[in-house]
Amino acid sequence: AQSVSQHNHHVILSEAASLELGCNYSYGGTVNLFWYVQYPGQHLQLLLKYFSGDPLVKGIKGFEAEFIKSKFSFNLRKPSVQWSDTAEYFCAVKPGNTGKLIFGQGTTLQVKP
Amino acid sequence: NAGVTQTPKFRVLKTGQSMTLLCAQDMNHEYMYWYRQDPGMGLRLIHYSVGEGTTAKGEVPDGYNVSRLKKQNFLLGLESAAPSQTSVYFCASSPTGSTGELFFGEGSRLTVL
Repeated sequence: AQSVSQHNHHVILSEAASLELGCNYSYGGTVNLFWYVQYPGQHLQLLLKYFSGDPLVKGIKGFEAEFIKSKFSFNLRKPSVQWSDTAEYFCAVKPGNTGKLIFGQGTTLQVKP
Repeated sequence: NAGVTQTPKFRVLKTGQSMTLLCAQDMNHEYMYWYRQDPGMGLRLIHYSVGEGTTAKGEVPDGYNVSRLKKQNFLLGLESAAPSQTSVYFCASSPTGSTGELFFGEGSRLTVL
């Protein structure tokens, strides 16, 4: 079955620390890849996306993600986190030409000021 | 610009009762989705629709029914609510299934006693 796995369920960092959240998926064909963010009390918002081309994609608020096809991975990174980055982060995969978007379990990021 | 609107925002039901969640979007999107969000489980796709008059099952469709009689509306029904359906439900829409980028509503918190 198609699945998306996020390795870290809860991450605690101090401000200015670097962030990397892991995401792996199980689908072997063409995929579109996404990271969504959910700030406390808010709905999900798109952080960044990968469709094709440069495997290193940049999103809003200084986030970036790298698609490594051979590893079926799409890890999210930020060089220096801020307290305002405290949120839940979801990796999502759209396999092939389906209309479905499959989400990972989510990673809760807590940034200490 | 309302975007994606869900009603009601909160609801408490007794086991066995029925209810309908309404999702309305004003962006003329073709695709619409219903997800449920549970702690540690991420977002799981319940049902989705690729156009007016069409519906399809997602990852966890059992116990739910949906209808897409009008392009702008996507209804999620619970015929006989169970405590296991206590969750936060998110509706989302997408201009087409090919991009996979979803626009989310603010969520509906349902508690089944």
